Amino acid sequence: QKEVEQNSGPLSVPEGAIASLNCTYSDRGSQSFFWYRQYSGKSPELIMFIYSNGDKEDGRFTAQLNKASQYVSLLIRDSQPSDSATYLCAVRGNNAGNMLTFGGGTRLMVKP
Amino acid sequence: DVKVTQSSRYLVKRTGEKVFLECVQDMDHENMFWYRQDPGLGLRLIYFSYDVKMKEKGDIPEGYSVSREKKERFSLILESASTNQTSMYLCASSSPLEPQHFGDGTRLSIL
Repeated sequence: QKEVEQNSGPLSVPEGAIASLNCTYSDRGSQSFFWYRQYSGKSPELIMFIYSNGDKEDGRFTAQLNKASQYVSLLIRDSQPSDSATYLCAVRGNNAGNMLTFGGGTRLMVKP
Repeated sequence: DVKVTQSSRYLVKRTGEKVFLECVQDMDHENMFWYRQDPGLGLRLIYFSYDVKMKEKGDIPEGYSVSREKKERFSLILESASTNQTSMYLCASSSPLEPQHFGDGTRLSIL
């Protein structure tokens, strides 16, 4: 059973701080890694993806991948109350159907 | 921008009814997916399709079927709706090796 694990939270950070969200996965053959943001009652929205070891930055967001340790993380700099949401980690293994395995999500709360 | 459109945001049906959920994408994506999302259980894959008229079972296909007659449209069918199928249903699409993009979701209630 391929698993993707996230701490469910809530993770509470003050406005302006760095939020660090972590995700571990069990399938060593995993190829691609995605972070989705989901506001309450809404559908998941893609915010970052990363395919290679190291860091990938996009505005206030940085995705970090370490395949040897089987973890992927998302850093949000200068956190804003509007960042309060559930963040889903998704992992794609080596499968032809482009299927993703999702973690349960981490709820982030940014307090003004 | 990728546009994935689900036919209804909210839907209320009765036990035993046949229910159709429709999903249309405008990006010529080969892959399309149906998930359901429930509190505490996360996103679970029901069915997916990687080509017209092709379908594959996901993790929880029981009680559901799908249809993909055209590349842009992927339908989820509840053959005989039951109360345990009350859920948020999410459709997604992608090209091979590209990220999946989701529609707005359909919140389905079975009474």
